Amino acid sequence: GQNIDQPTEMTATEGAIVQINCTYQTSGFNGLFWYQQHAGEAPTFLSYNVLDGLEEKGRFSSFLSRSKGYSYLLLKELQMKDSASYLCAVRDGTTSGTYKYIFGTGTRLKVLA
Amino acid sequence: NAGVTQTPKFRVLKTGQSMTLLCAQDMNHEYMYWYRQDPGMGLRLIHYSVGEGTTAKGEVPDGYNVSRLKKQNFLLGLESAAPSQTSVYFCASSYSSGVGTGKNIQYFGAGTRLSVL
Repeated sequence: GQNIDQPTEMTATEGAIVQINCTYQTSGFNGLFWYQQHAGEAPTFLSYNVLDGLEEKGRFSSFLSRSKGYSYLLLKELQMKDSASYLCAVRDGTTSGTYKYIFGTGTRLKVLA
Repeated sequence: NAGVTQTPKFRVLKTGQSMTLLCAQDMNHEYMYWYRQDPGMGLRLIHYSVGEGTTAKGEVPDGYNVSRLKKQNFLLGLESAAPSQTSVYFCASSYSSGVGTGKNIQYFGAGTRLSVL
């Protein structure tokens, strides 16, 4: 079956570092995405991994291990505006489903002053 | 450059009524998607389209129909609304090619908040 797991909620302090984990079991794999979604708004793209390793983009980094079905999103120097939900999504890589994205339920991050 | 535009933003329906949600994108994307987002459920794919004139079922297609008569528009219809269809609906679009290059990023509209009483 298709399954993506991520923690429901996390809390961290302004200026700290937080790591949000995502594990997945999908029939195919063609890339893993992280999206940020503020309350009442649309998801916006944060990062993309298709090969194993770390992708860094400013205060945000994302890691992928395809053999372990595992990814994490690392947020450094947390700011209050980082309070949002973070969605992990896998693009299906099977022949019949290359166009589909499977989303996790999201991790709600609260940043405290 | 507007990106992905959804109309309406809010709607309240009575059980049994019908309505159409409109999604328009100006990025010349081949692929378009309709999702619903419910608390604790994440984004679930309703229907998608890989090009003008083509549509396919996603994870939760029952009670919905779609059409893609023009490349830039993707319509989601509810023929007879039910309370279980109360949700936030998101449209998204992406390129078809570029797997491995990051060009298959999905861009989302602002959402339609639908309540069915």
